[in-house]
Amino acid sequence: GEDVEQSLFLSVREGDSSVINCTYTDSSSTYLYWYKQEPGAGLQLLTYIFSNMDMKQDQRLTVLLNKKDKHLSLRIADTQTGDSAIYFCAESMDSNSGYALNFGKGTSLLVTP
Amino acid sequence: EAGVAQSPRYKIIEKRQSVAFWCNPISGHATLYWYQQILGQGPKLLIQFQNNGVVDDSQLPKDRFSAERLKGVDSTLKIQPAKLEDSAVYLCASSLVPGGGNTIYFGEGSWLTVV
Repeated sequence: GEDVEQSLFLSVREGDSSVINCTYTDSSSTYLYWYKQEPGAGLQLLTYIFSNMDMKQDQRLTVLLNKKDKHLSLRIADTQTGDSAIYFCAESMDSNSGYALNFGKGTSLLVTP
Repeated sequence: EAGVAQSPRYKIIEKRQSVAFWCNPISGHATLYWYQQILGQGPKLLIQFQNNGVVDDSQLPKDRFSAERLKGVDSTLKIQPAKLEDSAVYLCASSLVPGGGNTIYFGEGSWLTVV
């Protein structure tokens, strides 16, 4: 699939906001996703946004989509130490009957006290 | 609701040996995926099933990897013979038949080390 680009590392202080950025290249992507992966665990779906939306808010999470620039961001308000993990941006790849995901390499978020 | 189940969780084998991973998707989910996640990278799709048929296996190294989903429920991914570069986490995922916000749920993965 096309490349999904993410910055590799982000460090923030507890209580601050975190912003994780992603650039995707497939303009036909219908949905864009954010997944969280903690050490030794599988992928946990955090949120997703439909491509005709600009913004989606879910409690501490805000997703912004700039379709013109193919840019997606995830903002975590009041970041906590439990938010330390790897965050993956993913775009849907339409196929005949199923929507497989094309992932970025992940952004490691470190939250310090 | 039970999640996606995978086994074994961890496996260490020597190169040229074979290994098989098993996945039980969420009940009722018609679509099943196998992803390979190499350390430090994002997951990469290996194969996608819709019921017991293959939708996409374009990134599956077919000379050594095979997968099946005989009854449209459980699936097995096999590697034979294994190479050192196959060391990775193998993630199984499932989803309902596509339609609005098709959410894909992942299992915890099977960790393979080839020595």
